[in-house]
Amino acid sequence: DVKVTQSSRYLVKRTGEKVFLECVQDMDHENMFWYRQDPGLGLRLIYFSYDVKMKEKGDIPEGYSVSREKKERFSLILESASTNQTSMYLCASSWDRGNEKLFFGSGTQLSVL
Amino acid sequence: RKEVEQDPGPFNVPEGATVAFNCTYSNSASQSFFWYRQDCRKEPKLLMSVYSSGNEDGRFTAQLNRASQYISLLIRDSKLSDSATYLCVVNGEDSSYKLIFGSGTRLLVRP
Repeated sequence: DVKVTQSSRYLVKRTGEKVFLECVQDMDHENMFWYRQDPGLGLRLIYFSYDVKMKEKGDIPEGYSVSREKKERFSLILESASTNQTSMYLCASSWDRGNEKLFFGSGTQLSVL
Repeated sequence: RKEVEQDPGPFNVPEGATVAFNCTYSNSASQSFFWYRQDCRKEPKLLMSVYSSGNEDGRFTAQLNRASQYISLLIRDSKLSDSATYLCVVNGEDSSYKLIFGSGTRLLVRP
């Protein structure tokens, strides 16, 4: 079974802190994604990566950056956390271009106080 | 207008009922369509892909209507375990990487 692991289930940070969300997948997937999910808004794509060291902006990249130094790991960075970044963050991966079945991690509920 | 729109529900139905959800999408160039299921406080999981010819998986049937730009999900003989949020997903216009998620339709199946 594909496993996508997110480092934390719940996280509480203060405004202005730098926050790292880590995601690891164990199935040699090419593509990795970061979404945030908010009530009434659905999942919105923040960033995605289709190869090591490659990254593409999604629909809401402002305030975020990403890093993909190894194929299996995709990190989301909040340079200076703000209260409007309080959300559920979901990492996902998929095989390659054209295969859109996404495998999601169990999510990180981030609260910024 | 949202790119993918769903009725948020909740749809509250008795066990054994048949229930249907629709989802409309705005981009006529979209080629890939999916239904994902998300249980409370869990991650989304792929339920089924939606093909042009329609497809069926047990009690679940998905249909695509390109002319009217909507997809549907029909659940027959509802079970308590079907209670979840159903997410409609459509690929974006610029690449197959970008999947656009609807905000979901909540289904509650009561005994």
